[in-house]
Amino acid sequence: DAGVIQSPRHEVTEMGQEVTLRCKPISGHDYLFWYRQTMMRGLELLIYFNNNVPIDDSGMPEDRFSAKMPNASFSTLKIQPSEPRDSAVYFCASSSRTSGNRLSEQYFGPGTRLTVT
Amino acid sequence: KQEVTQIPAALSVPEGENLVLNCSFTDSAIYNLQWFRQDPGKGLTSLLLIQSSQREQTSGRLNASLDKSSGRSTLYIAASQPGDSATYLCAVLISYNTDKLIFGTGTRLQVFP
Repeated sequence: DAGVIQSPRHEVTEMGQEVTLRCKPISGHDYLFWYRQTMMRGLELLIYFNNNVPIDDSGMPEDRFSAKMPNASFSTLKIQPSEPRDSAVYFCASSSRTSGNRLSEQYFGPGTRLTVT
Repeated sequence: KQEVTQIPAALSVPEGENLVLNCSFTDSAIYNLQWFRQDPGKGLTSLLLIQSSQREQTSGRLNASLDKSSGRSTLYIAASQPGDSATYLCAVLISYNTDKLIFGTGTRLQVFP
């Protein structure tokens, strides 16, 4: 398997523009997580899905952020309108349940480095 | 609210040393604890996962232990190498009502030749 795939790897945009980040989880994984990493706040969970359904979006900072998972192999994180304080590295991760119904290791994608000017 | 702390924040050691990285969490009700490695500009790579019922896990030169009652985990790296230089993060999976990982602040390790 190619692992978790994210695109684009780098995004530079101007304040006010819409930004869409994309993620393809590992095939067979039914959990998908979106994280944001900054120097100031470290790694924060934004939202996660189970079987394409959003389970916990309490980490989504504002209504400007939205995430969708239309099918098991694709998810998007959208920021509209973007602001300079949204500049960060955004990671997608996926995992699955073990036979004992425990969450297995989370596998992370390479991240998207977003810069909003 | 679960809080995860890692000490030290940074560590610089000569090649060959055995070293210990520490992770502390405030709420002992966890499902599992995971150790990750992050290289500069890269994503996270899972190193070891310890279920709440386990005491330790080993992979090669790495050994991770878990003491739930005291809210602590340690990552032991034997015979450190320059290639071990990276940031190491621990994360706990909190056990009630959610599958969220709570990450620690990380330890930046540098192993010099």
